[in-house]
Amino acid sequence: VQLVESGGGVVQPGGSLRLSCGASGFTFRNYGMHWVRQAPGKGPEWVTFIGSDGDDKYYKDSVKGRFTISRDNSKNMLYLQMTSLRPEDAAMYYCAKGGHRGHLEWSLDYWGQGSLVTVSS
Amino acid sequence: SYVLTQPPSVSVAPGQTAKIACGGNKIGDKRVHWYQQMPGQAPVVVVFDDSDRPSGIPDRFSGSNSGSAATLTISRVEAGDEADYYCQVWDSASDQYVFGPGTTVTVL
Repeated sequence: VQLVESGGGVVQPGGSLRLSCGASGFTFRNYGMHWVRQAPGKGPEWVTFIGSDGDDKYYKDSVKGRFTISRDNSKNMLYLQMTSLRPEDAAMYYCAKGGHRGHLEWSLDYWGQGSLVTVSS
Repeated sequence: SYVLTQPPSVSVAPGQTAKIACGGNKIGDKRVHWYQQMPGQAPVVVVFDDSDRPSGIPDRFSGSNSGSAATLTISRVEAGDEADYYCQVWDSASDQYVFGPGTTVTVL
């Protein structure tokens, strides 16, 4: 299993950024996927989840209406569109593999190495 | 929203046993997962579904979950076990995934 994030960078408050995560080594279309972020010196903070077929989506309350998770099962790609970014959104963003079809309670068993998002003027 | 609690730190001598508690409301009804995070690296799951171990994780790592707390136990602690450890659950009531605040394990 390999997960490779990209798209991070420096953005001004109020700006937008799109993260991507390329997946390989497993049948991507059969698994839910997560985005988890971690600010420097802090613990992991779950951000959002998308079900295997893209229909089920869950978000952390503080990002609802600003962030959108999506996936392209034909390309084995996961995305996170972030808008109206705030300084408190600055963090390392990890994509992580979730449960098999509908198993929401499964662990996040594989993680990428992360993509750094900096929100600063 | 659902909240998990963990002690900020645990110190243990090499060869001894470290126990990390993870508390939450009716946590015994949930599946608890534990992650180890080394500095500069992504978290790695060391125990899933309360007490199962992924392949490649030493059997020195074990977990339990009953009543008011889940526990990660590290037996015969080694210097290489120094890391941050996080518990995590899925809260179906709020449709949120929750991580605990983390526990830093220090090997004396």
